[in-house]
Amino acid sequence: AQSVTQLGSHVSVSEGALVLLRCNYSSSVPPYLFWYVQYPNQGLQLLLKYTTGATLVKGINGFEAEFKKSETSFHLTKPSAHMSDAAEYFCAVRGYSSASKIIFGSGTRLSIRP
Amino acid sequence: KAGVTQTPRYLIKTRGQQVTLSCSPISGHRSVSWYQQTPGQGLQFLFEYFSETQRNKGNFPGRFSGRQFSNSRSEMNVSTLELGDSALYLCASSLGSSGGASDTQYFGPGTRLTVL
Repeated sequence: AQSVTQLGSHVSVSEGALVLLRCNYSSSVPPYLFWYVQYPNQGLQLLLKYTTGATLVKGINGFEAEFKKSETSFHLTKPSAHMSDAAEYFCAVRGYSSASKIIFGSGTRLSIRP
Repeated sequence: KAGVTQTPRYLIKTRGQQVTLSCSPISGHRSVSWYQQTPGQGLQFLFEYFSETQRNKGNFPGRFSGRQFSNSRSEMNVSTLELGDSALYLCASSLGSSGGASDTQYFGPGTRLTVL
C-alpha cells in the first residue's frame, strides 16, 4: 500500500528565507509524485509533479522538488519566500496504473513572516 | 478555457436528507474525480469516473455515489446525511489519457456542505 507523510503541519519562515516542506512516501514501486497548493477558499492547484526522468523537477512560482529514491523523499523547496506563498501545501503519491488511487499527505500550512 | 466549475458553492442540509453536487470539467477532459476534505481526515479520494464508467473508488460507504454523463459532467450524491459528512467536496478533472495516472488534475473551488 502507498502512503505519504508530510513532516510538520505548520511551517513559518521569514520573507526572503528558504522554504523547505518535507514529504516522504512509501511505495513498493517508484510512484508518481505531486505537490499541490491550496489557497483559502479555493481548490488545489498543481505546483509540480514527478513522473519519470530528471529527478529535479521545477514547478510554478519558483518552487522545485527533488525525487530521492534512496530516501523515499520528495521535498519541496523555494529559495526565497514571498508573502504570496502563504497557503496549504499537499504532497501526493499515485501508482502507475490508471486504476490506482491518489493518496494525499495531511498537508503543511506555510506562513510567511514579514 | 474555463476551469472546473462546481455547484452549488455552499449548501446546508439536515441529518437524514440527501444531497446532489455537480461538477463541470474543463472542456475536453474525460476524467472526473471527487474528494472529501475535512480538518480531521484531510483529503480523501471518493471516486473517479472516465467515459461514464467508475474507474476507481475510495473507502467510503455506499451512501456516497456518483455518475458521469456523456458530456463528462459529473454528479455525486450523498444519501441519509450524517453530521460527519460536513466537509468541502472537491471535484477535479483531467484529460484521462491512457497514461492517466500521471495526468495533471485540475481542481474546482469545491462545494462546502454543512450538515446540521
